[in-house]
Formats: sequence, structure tokens, C-alpha cells
Amino acid sequence: GENVEQHPSTLSVQEGDSAVIKCTYSDSASNYFPWYKQELGKRPQLIIDIRSNVGEKKDQRIAVTLNKTAKHFSLHITETQPEDSAVYFCAAGSTYKYIFGTGTRLKVLA
Amino acid sequence: SAVISQKPSRDICQRGTSLTIQCQVDSQVTMMFWYRQQPGQSLTLIATANQGSEATYESGFVIDKFPISRPNLTFSTLTVSNMSPEDSSIYLCSVDWNYGYTFGSGTRLTVV
Repeated sequence: GENVEQHPSTLSVQEGDSAVIKCTYSDSASNYFPWYKQELGKRPQLIIDIRSNVGEKKDQRIAVTLNKTAKHFSLHITETQPEDSAVYFCAAGSTYKYIFGTGTRLKVLA
Repeated sequence: SAVISQKPSRDICQRGTSLTIQCQVDSQVTMMFWYRQQPGQSLTLIATANQGSEATYESGFVIDKFPISRPNLTFSTLTVSNMSPEDSSIYLCSVDWNYGYTFGSGTRLTVV
């Protein structure tokens, strides 16, 4: 069945450094790729997304890239800050139904 | 984006009992989704709830265990029936709002 793999499971970076989280999906019909940030005890929040007709999208310090041929997409966070510490989930899907990755726990060390 | 009110926020229940979780959306939406997030894990779709029809359940989830109601375009309930400790989890409702889910605040369920 459809599957989304996410790596790494944990990531520690120094404040100010960049963080990259990678996901691979299996369903070639997927055309929408959102990223969610979940802080401890809170609901997941959409932080950025990309559609299949776009290769890259940026919003301030965060960016997402998509390689449809390789079925890879990645989240890039630059100039990390302590408030970026959270669990990040990628997802892939189409027509309302999304499969979530296993999550990456990002720790930004001050 | 849509605003979702979910309740209860948490509950501790005895095994063998049932709990009904409610979600209210401030806008009319065609589909509502129910997810389960086990401690430290990812989100797993339980079912999709359409107004006026039976919910569509994902593999591993059955209506007898997780009955869902969708009486109108702004409200849905999920019942966790005949609970066991393995049902301890966070349950989240969500809606798809212009692509990308908006989630409710979640219900943290502990079964003892």
C-alpha cells in the first residue's frame, strides 16, 4: 500500500544552523505534499506545502523541494531558532487523503 | 482556515466502556477525518466521515469499534467502544481546508 518514509527520526542542530528533513513516497498519484509542525502536547499545524506542479516553495526561513521523478521531497529550515524545536511530519496524497511520515524530532540547541 | 472545537480534551476511562468524542467546525465542510496518534507516533487515519452517508474506514479499523456519526456539515462524533488499554491514544478530528488539514485540539484518552 501507500507509504511515506521520513528521515531522520531525530535531528539536533545548533541554533543558527540549517536543518533538512527528507521524505520519500510510494504512490505516484500523490500530488500534494504538506508539512506539519507539532509542538509538545499540541495539535499538528500546517507550516508549508507544495503541489506536484512546483519544484520548490519558500516561506521566510522554511522551504520545501519536490522531485517527482525520484518521489522525494524535503523540508529545509534555515537560521534555526529554539522555537523551531518540535516534531515535524511530512505527508503525501491527493483528493483529501494523506499518508503521514513517521515524524522527525528536531532539537535546536541554544 | 476553519476552526475546530474538539471535546473532551482528555479522559481516563475504564476498560470495557465507551467514549464519544465530538468535533464542531465553524464552517460547513464536506468531509471530516478522524485520526489516531499513539504516543510518540505518527498520525493514522481511522475513517472519513461524509454527511449523509456511512463513514469510510481504513484498513484495521471497523465500524463496531469506532462508530462515527455525521449528522450535518459542521459536526461529527467518534465513539471508541469496548475500550482496552491498547486504545490509549490521542484522537484528532480534521478537515481539509483549501488543501492541507486543519486539526482539532485532540482528545487524550487513557484506558485503565
